[in-house]
Amino acid sequence: GESVGLHLPTLSVQEGDNSIINCAYSNSASDYFIWYKQESGKGPQFIIDIRSNMDKRQGQRVTVLLNKTVKHLSLQIAATQPGDSAVYFCADLRASGTYKYIFGTGTRLKVLA
Amino acid sequence: EPEVTQTPSHQVTQMGQEVILRCVPISNHLYFYWYRQILGQKVEFLVSFYNNEISEKSEIFDDQFSVERPDGSNFTLKIRSTKLEDSAMYFCASSEGQIKYNSPLHFGNGTRLTVT
Repeated sequence: GESVGLHLPTLSVQEGDNSIINCAYSNSASDYFIWYKQESGKGPQFIIDIRSNMDKRQGQRVTVLLNKTVKHLSLQIAATQPGDSAVYFCADLRASGTYKYIFGTGTRLKVLA
Repeated sequence: EPEVTQTPSHQVTQMGQEVILRCVPISNHLYFYWYRQILGQKVEFLVSFYNNEISEKSEIFDDQFSVERPDGSNFTLKIRSTKLEDSAMYFCASSEGQIKYNSPLHFGNGTRLTVT
């Protein structure tokens, strides 16, 4: 069946290092992906998005890479800071008449001092 | 920056009771959503709402659930006859346009519903 999933449930990174969070999807028709960050006790917060006609998109300290061949996307966070500690979700826009996000399970990023 | 606000932040109710979760979406947004997150699990889609109608709903959103936009600012989720398994964080979200057109969802901070 269709799924959006994450390779690692927890990622620990030293402060200042780069973080890479991965996400796989299974629906070839998926054409729009978004990364969200969820801090403890808060709702998901939009970070960056990418459309399927792109391979890479950069934001402030974040880069999303999309590999449609293997149905994989990743979120790269440069110079990881303590404030980056959160759960990160990839969300897949799934065209089904009207539109909704399907969220993956999430990866918890822990930043070590 | 405009934000989605949800009240209450925490709701405790007894099994079988009805609850109403309230949301004020961002004022110029036209699309509204409810999601839920059971502790430790992923955020699950419940329902989307546009032009005073349900646009789409998931299998979770059965007859126990209903949504309403009672006025120009509020968006509510009603859960009738609550069950223990309804205990979760419920997130309201809104978007300016359809998601397809690069209109990301903006989420509130959620209402934690505890059914005892």
